[in-house]
Amino acid sequence: EIVLTQSPGTLSLSPGERASLSCRASQSVTSTYLAWYQQKPGQAPRLLIYGASSRATGVPDRFSGSGSGTDFTLTINRLEPEDFAVYYCQHYSSPIFTFGPGTKVDIK
Amino acid sequence: QVQLVESGGGVVQPGRSLTLSCAASGFAFSSYGMHWVRQAPGKGPEWVAAVWYDGSDKYYADSVQGRFTVSRDNSKNTLSVQMISLRAEDTAVYYCARSVGSAFDIWGQGTMVTVSS
Repeated sequence: EIVLTQSPGTLSLSPGERASLSCRASQSVTSTYLAWYQQKPGQAPRLLIYGASSRATGVPDRFSGSGSGTDFTLTINRLEPEDFAVYYCQHYSSPIFTFGPGTKVDIK
Repeated sequence: QVQLVESGGGVVQPGRSLTLSCAASGFAFSSYGMHWVRQAPGKGPEWVAAVWYDGSDKYYADSVQGRFTVSRDNSKNTLSVQMISLRAEDTAVYYCARSVGSAFDIWGQGTMVTVSS
């Protein structure tokens, strides 16, 4: 079973700064099956990135995903106030879906 | 608009049963795989169960295998999960979600299940 590890646990940044969030898999995975989500308090997760680097519909272009093998990164350029939230990576390895523990991006 | 609405949550005693439902609208329900994903308080999401677009295949997380049964009715655009032998660790918000490829692109608002005596 693939285990996803996210770092850091919490990232404290100011609006306008760049956020770089890491997701590491316990073994090499197919990029096609790696996704990122944003979750705000009291809300369901929202799909941001699928296939490691493709933005979902309506996601601003300040969000970008990259990586391959075991290391993946979600980058948020020029943080906006609405970007402060928890971010999860997720992987699919048939027939199991696995989420990482999350990275909280909070206001410094 | 595309929407998923869960219902059926509540407080239930350990060992008892509960059935959750999800009503889908705004898209061709019968064309998509559907899932239940739960999130315990203060924790990350946990995938629970999946049913393929036509109901032909069903998959479960090890944590619920043998206790949860997922089903769908494509004529009524509904997804359900029957949960038996509930445990305290099943306490969570339960979301239904649509999958496109290997990602969940549409989520409901969730329904809370609390297992407590």
